[in-house]
Amino acid sequence: DAGVIQSPRHEVTEMGQEVTLRCKPISGHDYLFWYRQTMMRGLELLIYFNNNVPIDDSGMPEDRFSAKMPNASFSTLKIQPSEPRDSAVYFCASSLNRGGGEKLFFGSGTQLSVL
Amino acid sequence: AQKITQTQPGMFVQEKEAVTLDCTYDTSDPSYGLFWYKQPSSGEMIFLIYQGSYDQQNATEGRYSLNFQKARKSANLVISASQLGDSAMYFCAMRETSFFFSGGYNKLIFGAGTRLAVHP
Repeated sequence: DAGVIQSPRHEVTEMGQEVTLRCKPISGHDYLFWYRQTMMRGLELLIYFNNNVPIDDSGMPEDRFSAKMPNASFSTLKIQPSEPRDSAVYFCASSLNRGGGEKLFFGSGTQLSVL
Repeated sequence: AQKITQTQPGMFVQEKEAVTLDCTYDTSDPSYGLFWYKQPSSGEMIFLIYQGSYDQQNATEGRYSLNFQKARKSANLVISASQLGDSAMYFCAMRETSFFFSGGYNKLIFGAGTRLAVHP
């Protein structure tokens, strides 16, 4: 079975440019999460979806960040305009709710560098 | 408030020895789950072990076991017979499962991590 698929693996862009990160969750999973990992702040939950609906976006740092999940098999995280402090690894993860200890399956991450 | 605390930024252990990585958590939710993930230098997040708050026995998965002390709110990871390939970052995480307490179902919150180095 294919795992969570993220693209691109690496993204280098210049300050002010729009960046779009993509994620395909595991088929059948009903939860999708976006995390950001930095040395200073560790792993932060940005936003998560249940059945394509955003449930909690309190972790989204500012209005420059937006996330969508138009269908069960695709999600995007967009940063517009990007800034150097957005440089981080962005992980997408998915899980299937069965009422308790469902683990998250993580993608390989997108390494974003904003120059 | 910090929900997951990992007080050891770095640990080292001799190959074949056992090592304990500490994790304490804070929650008012009676129903929650505790997870450990491994992140090697390649960057992927690998699930290791899970403990539910109502589980009577400590979870075990091969060389990994979770020393769950509910009253102390601790969920330490024990790795037995360390191998060189165990060198990685280790993250403790908690999921509160009650919408009433967490305000959102299924949110997984991570600690800061512990970097483990296994020496030959």
